[in-house]
Amino acid sequence: DARVTQTPRHKVTEMGQEVTMRCQPILGHNTVFWYRQTMMQGLELLAYFRNRAPLDDSGMPKDRFSAEMPDATLATLKIQPSEPRDSAVYFCASGLVTGSSYEQYFGPGTRLTVT
Amino acid sequence: KQEVTQIPAALSVPEGENLVLNCSFTDSAIYNLQWFRQDPGKGLTSLLLIQSSQREQTSGRLNASLDKSSGRSTLYIAASQPGDSATYLCAVHGTSYGKLTFGQGTILTVHP
Repeated sequence: DARVTQTPRHKVTEMGQEVTMRCQPILGHNTVFWYRQTMMQGLELLAYFRNRAPLDDSGMPKDRFSAEMPDATLATLKIQPSEPRDSAVYFCASGLVTGSSYEQYFGPGTRLTVT
Repeated sequence: KQEVTQIPAALSVPEGENLVLNCSFTDSAIYNLQWFRQDPGKGLTSLLLIQSSQREQTSGRLNASLDKSSGRSTLYIAASQPGDSATYLCAVHGTSYGKLTFGQGTILTVHP
């Protein structure tokens, strides 16, 4: 059964370290999204890609965050340097835009703790 | 800027009750609306997707309605069960394909 996978599932790191999160979208999906979830802010869109091209990354702090899709089976979200306020659960989602039907499927998330 | 509000923030009901979760959004120019379920420490599971041209969608004991002109959607859960306990999130797709704006969620507890 097709699903979005994310690695790692949990990450604890010290402030200032680089963090890379990976996502494998569902095969055949043409859109990929990165979201961040915190108790205070809820779910926020960080970036999204369509056909591997970045369409919107306005929700992402540009000075420390970067998102890429090196190929159709891999999306990455990198934080460098990490800060304690980046502690959150990061979700990747993918979807297929076809005519009038569109639905997003979420991965299990990466729980990031920055100390 | 689209804003999505969910009421109530939390709901506790005895098993067997029918219940309604509410979602409202400020910009009616939406592509579609999606209801999700999130269990503690888990990802989001899509429950129902309503396209902007539709009025409702049903899946088992769940029924979601959409009134785009008034900016409202409801999720109706029939004969609630303890296994329905979770956070329910409403999200709207803006007209720019795929961009989801989420509500803060309703935390549902169904007690035996």
